[in-house]
Amino acid sequence: ELKVEQNPLFLSMQEGKNYTIYCNYSTTSDRLYWYRQDPGKSLESLFVLLSNGAVKQEGRLMASLDTKARLSTLHITAAVHDLSATYFCAGNTGNQFYFGTGTSLTVIP
Amino acid sequence: KAGVTQTPRYLIKTRGQQVTLSCSPISGHRSVSWYQQTPGQGLQFLFEYFSETQRNKGNFPGRFSGRQFSNSRSEMNVSTLELGDSALYLCASSYRGRVVIGANVLTFGAGSRLTVL
Repeated sequence: ELKVEQNPLFLSMQEGKNYTIYCNYSTTSDRLYWYRQDPGKSLESLFVLLSNGAVKQEGRLMASLDTKARLSTLHITAAVHDLSATYFCAGNTGNQFYFGTGTSLTVIP
Repeated sequence: KAGVTQTPRYLIKTRGQQVTLSCSPISGHRSVSWYQQTPGQGLQFLFEYFSETQRNKGNFPGRFSGRQFSNSRSEMNVSTLELGDSALYLCASSYRGRVVIGANVLTFGAGSRLTVL
């Protein structure tokens, strides 16, 4: 079974700073996904990474994938308060998805 | 287009009762998956339905069951509720195509928050 681990679990960062969330997975995953969840809300898809070396960017968030290391990163640039949320990475085998425990990000003014 | 719709959004039950949750996927999406989200266990996969057939099943007891109808709408049922079943139950739909890029991206509903007393 695919196991997905994220770290850190909790992240408190100041506005304007940069930080990276790490996502390790145990076996081959078809693709790697990043989702965002705001408190009391559902999950929203951020990125889908299809192959080794893939990099996707949207605003202050950039996701990358290293399939050889079984590692994906979500890099936050110049954090702003609106980025406060829980971020999940997920892998899949076919249509079965396995989610990490999530990283709760709080951006402090 | 309309998103994934889950009903009810909130419900309170007592131990031993049963509950049925409903999920209407995005139009054109034929796969529906169910997840249980709790603070302690995170997001755990319950099952996936495609073309009215259960295709994948997570590690949950038989009290958890589901079905899918011909219009792709899905229901999940939990019988003999236990306190530990209190959770946010999320439904997600996807196209489940074989060649479409991004076809496997899950789109989640707002969830049904179940409290068992």
